[in-house]
Amino acid sequence: EVQLLESGGGLVQPGGSLRLSCAASGFTFSSYAMSWVRQAPGKGLEWVSTITISGGRTYYADSVKGRFTISRDNSKNTIYLQMNSLRAEDTAVYYCAKDRTSGYCRNDLCYSPQPLLFDYWGQGTLVTASS
Amino acid sequence: DIQMTQSPSTLSASVGDRVSITCRASHSISSWLAWYQQKPGKAPKLLIYDASTLESGVPSRFSGSGSGTEFTLTISSLQPDDFATYYCQHYNSYPGTFGQGTKVEIK
Repeated sequence: EVQLLESGGGLVQPGGSLRLSCAASGFTFSSYAMSWVRQAPGKGLEWVSTITISGGRTYYADSVKGRFTISRDNSKNTIYLQMNSLRAEDTAVYYCAKDRTSGYCRNDLCYSPQPLLFDYWGQGTLVTASS
Repeated sequence: DIQMTQSPSTLSASVGDRVSITCRASHSISSWLAWYQQKPGKAPKLLIYDASTLESGVPSRFSGSGSGTEFTLTISSLQPDDFATYYCQHYNSYPGTFGQGTKVEIK
């Protein structure tokens, strides 16, 4: 059974930092790109960041570029989101999500056939940036 | 960036009704479109991908259609468990933008 378990959320002052974790189980973690998606209170879904299967490439929404850093540790089946310079508008539930289709690496190049299509999501962790 | 626009924002319907939700993309996304269902306090659930392919375990009363810039999610006979918010999302390119959501309410 696929499980994604986020942790690390909490209350932080604007300008502060927080690191989220997402521990995965039930699938071959190193074969799937992973992403963070957030949802502000009462609002819709917003893609935040994606990391490829090897961790060699990362992608960010313009709203967090330069402030957030996604990373992964395939030996621990975990992805992370380091969030710096937090703003009130970053307040949201942060979900980690798994690509539906596995990728592969060949000749040091890694490829995910359908990035951004998510078949499993974690339960979410709430980040509140407020004074 | 590709923008996704859903309509309506809210839909009031009764059990047994046939309901449809539309999603329009600002540029062609071929068939790279997914539909998700979200209930309050829960994570989204994948219903349909590639515009019309039903995810495993999803009831057959859900169906998707469309390509290019216009897409539709249809629930053929609304069940009590279907009252939720539905989101479309393109995965044609980064960022994979979501629509603003359609809340399906009990009439």
